[in-house]
Amino acid sequence: GAVVSQHPSRVICKSGTSVKIECRSLDFQATTMFWYRQFPKQSLMLMATSNEGSKATYEQGVEKDKFLINHASLTLSTLTVTSAHPEDSSFYICSANQGSNQPQHFGDGTRLSIL
Amino acid sequence: DAKTTQPNSMESNEEEPVHLPCNHSTISGTDYIHWYRQLPSQGPEYVIHGLTSNVNNRMASLAIAEDRKSSTLILHRATLRDAAVYYCILKPTGNQFYFGTGTSLTVIP
Repeated sequence: GAVVSQHPSRVICKSGTSVKIECRSLDFQATTMFWYRQFPKQSLMLMATSNEGSKATYEQGVEKDKFLINHASLTLSTLTVTSAHPEDSSFYICSANQGSNQPQHFGDGTRLSIL
Repeated sequence: DAKTTQPNSMESNEEEPVHLPCNHSTISGTDYIHWYRQLPSQGPEYVIHGLTSNVNNRMASLAIAEDRKSSTLILHRATLRDAAVYYCILKPTGNQFYFGTGTSLTVIP
């Protein structure tokens, strides 16, 4: 079945560091990918929609200059958390699907810890 | 985005059927009903989806009410590996998924 790979699975870094997370669709092309954030014991919150070849669409309240999204190819989207601070520590998850009425396939998530 | 309501938690004995309810009274005619589950520290996993008719796959069954204002995910024989948070999501035409709070399922050995 369709697989979405996310890398790295875990990042621990100092405050002020910028962190890049990659999301790849391994066996299908995805013109659209999605980025979510999940705090402990909470549900997933959609942050933004990543569009291949064009600007990402951000959900209300998500800072686009803080969370940079690049979708340069049909199989790769990246999320860069710029100048990360402890409050950015969270579980970041990406997803993609093969068509508008098809299931979403999720990556295994990236645990980001900012010291 | 259309809203779903699920119980916060449920328990089931191992090897017994589990019925996970979801209310979605504001569903529109083009909204698909999707179910996903999430194990700790993992991304969500697709379980099943449907529009109007009941659906079966190797993981579960989805029973959709005739008025589509509610649905039930049925796990026919719960195993310990089925312990997870189960999310019922309405997906309109287009791609965005908005997650609700989900139901945390505990399976008792």
